[in-house]
Amino acid sequence: NAGVTQTPKFQVLKTGQSMTLQCAQDMNHEYMSWYRQDPGMGLRLIHYSVGAGITDQGEVPNGYNVSRSTTEDFPLRLLSAAPSQTSVYFCASSYSTGKGEAFFGQGTRLTVV
Amino acid sequence: AQRVTQPEKLLSVFKGAPVELKCNYSYSGSPELFWYVQYSRQRLQLLLRHISRESIKGFTADLNKGETSFHLKKPFAQEEDSAMYYCALDNYGQNFVFGPGTRLSVLP
Repeated sequence: NAGVTQTPKFQVLKTGQSMTLQCAQDMNHEYMSWYRQDPGMGLRLIHYSVGAGITDQGEVPNGYNVSRSTTEDFPLRLLSAAPSQTSVYFCASSYSTGKGEAFFGQGTRLTVV
Repeated sequence: AQRVTQPEKLLSVFKGAPVELKCNYSYSGSPELFWYVQYSRQRLQLLLRHISRESIKGFTADLNKGETSFHLKKPFAQEEDSAMYYCALDNYGQNFVFGPGTRLSVLP
């Protein structure tokens, strides 16, 4: 079982560049989310989706876009990278929140210079 | 707004000593609470959830609605318990709200 797969694991971007972080899950989970992990701030929710075709903003959505065209995939797009977006990004999925646990990807370490 | 606080950024204990990682929350309604753990260079994984009332790796956590707390406890810490611990709250069935995390260091 692959679980939740994130690519790439590491990325360095120049300010102003755009890129897409990929996230795929093979557990047929409805719920998928993107978090960023920063020292002293824990995990903050960027965007989430409760099913294909449905997305919503989390706590820190600015500068990021998402789409959910299939149940399996939930890519995160950085529109114009800024140094403040240097972070570790985690994708997670679950059948539902509360009743089911969240499964996390291995993370993407992004540095914006 | 729903919120999870973990007052300790870093907690250091000696091997064999009891450990308690604090978690407080603010939530309207009946909360679903979780503890997640991240060992070095590994992905986050579920440690335990309050509805199952399990003891995982010797850890337990009790939901105290009066004090809005969900502290994680272990009577005898082991070196392999050294990790980052996150308390999390189910946000009305839509997503999870995580606390800032506590880094536990178990010293030999």
